[in-house]
Amino acid sequence: QKEVEQNSGPLSVPEGAIASLNCTYSDRVSQSFFWYRQYSGKSPELIMSIYSNGDKEDGRFTAQLNKASQYVSLLIRDSQPSDSATYLCAVVGSSNTGKLIFGQGTTLQVKP
Amino acid sequence: ETGVTQTPRHLVMGMTNKKSLKCEQHLGHNAMYWYKQSAKKPLELMFVYNFKEQTENNSVPSRFSPECPNSSHLFLHLHTLQPEDSALYLCASSQVGIGNTIYFGEGSWLTVV
Repeated sequence: QKEVEQNSGPLSVPEGAIASLNCTYSDRVSQSFFWYRQYSGKSPELIMSIYSNGDKEDGRFTAQLNKASQYVSLLIRDSQPSDSATYLCAVVGSSNTGKLIFGQGTTLQVKP
Repeated sequence: ETGVTQTPRHLVMGMTNKKSLKCEQHLGHNAMYWYKQSAKKPLELMFVYNFKEQTENNSVPSRFSPECPNSSHLFLHLHTLQPEDSALYLCASSQVGIGNTIYFGEGSWLTVV
């Protein structure tokens, strides 16, 4: 079983719709969770971090965490063509080295 | 601009060459990382340094040799690489213990010919 799993997609949504990106992880004691966005040919950039169960909102982005189900998601409201990118889920493992484990990423396509 | 600077941005090298990738972070972080990103694969953690000490080596071949002279600088020395080592190499830094948010540099595109 992969440590962090994402559906590679592509996930295609029309402009203005809500895009829902999902991620599951295997390490039950993970405490820190991140979503990164990566445009083609660029490095990953941080969108959201979440540490507690529940929802965390930042502008059009909402991260949701459910530690009991080992599940983290990212919702993008009012999707724009500029949101088209690969979204990487990342989880800090249980060690204290700060090791960040990435999923393979979900490619999102927002169509005008 | 994330505060993590990588040079060179692009590198083409032969299999017998020796080259180095350089990374510098201006964020006052205490941990630095090398990641490798190949096409259609997840980001692979290569090395972790906490307070200049290597704390993780993810079974990386010895043709990749990291060096961390201080908390702000990280090098990746490359020697006798193979064509399959062609990839995007990403340096990152974080403050371990405070959320541990990792910030990436722009990356170094490496092509081995």
